[in-house]
Amino acid sequence: AQKITQTQPGMFVQEKEAVTLDCTYDTSDPSYGLFWYKQPSSGEMIFLIYQGSYDQQNATEGRYSLNFQKARKSANLVISASQLGDSAMYFCAMREGKTGGYQKVTFGTGTKLQVIP
Amino acid sequence: NAGVTQTPKFRILKIGQSMTLQCTQDMNHNYMYWYRQDPGMGLKLIYYSVGAGITDKGEVPNGYNVSRSTTEDFPLRLELAAPSQTSVYFCASSPLTSAKTQYFGPGTRLLVL
Repeated sequence: AQKITQTQPGMFVQEKEAVTLDCTYDTSDPSYGLFWYKQPSSGEMIFLIYQGSYDQQNATEGRYSLNFQKARKSANLVISASQLGDSAMYFCAMREGKTGGYQKVTFGTGTKLQVIP
Repeated sequence: NAGVTQTPKFRILKIGQSMTLQCTQDMNHNYMYWYRQDPGMGLKLIYYSVGAGITDKGEVPNGYNVSRSTTEDFPLRLELAAPSQTSVYFCASSPLTSAKTQYFGPGTRLLVL
């Protein structure tokens, strides 16, 4: 089974609208973390948001929020009020293992988001 | 702070040649990682390190070697370059006390012909 699954290869959203990018994960490790990264066409990886497996509340960072549903093993990224600059590839990633010890990081295949004026 | 720096930015290698991709971070982070990103794909972990002198294999380690003699540096060595190693290589680091994020370098684009 894939560790991280992003089922939407591409998405379109109207400027100023909200959009949800899907991510499901698979792990038997009780301690894990989930990340979302943005990769614009220039190629750099930009950290957006993090959710720990023990965090009680969904993470938020400005216009980004992470809809964490632990029982369903999903960690969807919600971008509110989309902007043209949000057009990019978005990657979901999972870190397994405890801080200070063995850690494995797995990335999904990404979703290409295009914001339409 | 410079953050995570990588050199070179771009390199063309002939099959069978060797090279070292350099990665340096100035944030005193314990964790360092090497990833490769093939066209249209996500990142795959090659090697990682939890501190000076400690390294471990990731998902795709074959054809690569690493060393970590200092906290700051984490070079990635390609001994016998193959066309399958054509990719963009990213180095990243994160602090020991908080794995909430990884700080990425700008990447090295490698073409093996």
